[in-house]
Amino acid sequence: EPEVTQTPSHQVTQMGQEVILRCVPISNHLYFYWYRQILGQKVEFLVSFYNNEISEKSEIFDDQFSVERPDGSNFTLKIRSTKLEDSAMYFCASSEVVGAGELFFGEGSRLTVL
Amino acid sequence: GENVGLHLPTLSVQEGDNSIINCAYSNSASDYFIWYKQESGKGPQFIIDIRSNMDKRQGQRVTVLLNKTVKHLSLQIAATQPGDSAVYFCAENTGSGGYQKVTFGIGTKLQVIP
Repeated sequence: EPEVTQTPSHQVTQMGQEVILRCVPISNHLYFYWYRQILGQKVEFLVSFYNNEISEKSEIFDDQFSVERPDGSNFTLKIRSTKLEDSAMYFCASSEVVGAGELFFGEGSRLTVL
Repeated sequence: GENVGLHLPTLSVQEGDNSIINCAYSNSASDYFIWYKQESGKGPQFIIDIRSNMDKRQGQRVTVLLNKTVKHLSLQIAATQPGDSAVYFCAENTGSGGYQKVTFGIGTKLQVIP
């Protein structure tokens, strides 16, 4: 069964450092998303991406965040200067353009900012 | 404002019993709801969905009930098994076409007692 894959599974970084989280969405999907889940809390929407541009973003997705689709398979989330409060689980998701459009999530990348 | 939330943060159920997880929403215009299951260390996984033109939908061992009058949603799991232990989120999907705009509620942790 096709799946969304994410790397790394866990990254530890120092405050102020740049972090790039990588995702490979399901191959025939064209909508891509990043969500965040702080430990013990609900899953929060960050950003959606379609046709090589951001289609929607939340208040959490400030200037420190950016997304990119550098090639035909990867979808990345960059945090330029990490803060302690960026520590969370980051989930990538993708969906098809047509049809029921179920949202498929990856297993997440845990980011720990020290 | 819009809010999707859960009544009970933790539910303990004996193996073999039925489980009922409840969810309340505040936006009366909401018309598409989804239940997700999140196992420890994994991303949310689609379980079942329901649109507002229905009040009940059944899947394999799961049933979702929607009461639009009181803006209440429930997930029923029949013959609960240890593998059902997870956090369950109700979510509202306000996307269209293939675009999935999913807003998660606060999860309920289901603990199955063997």
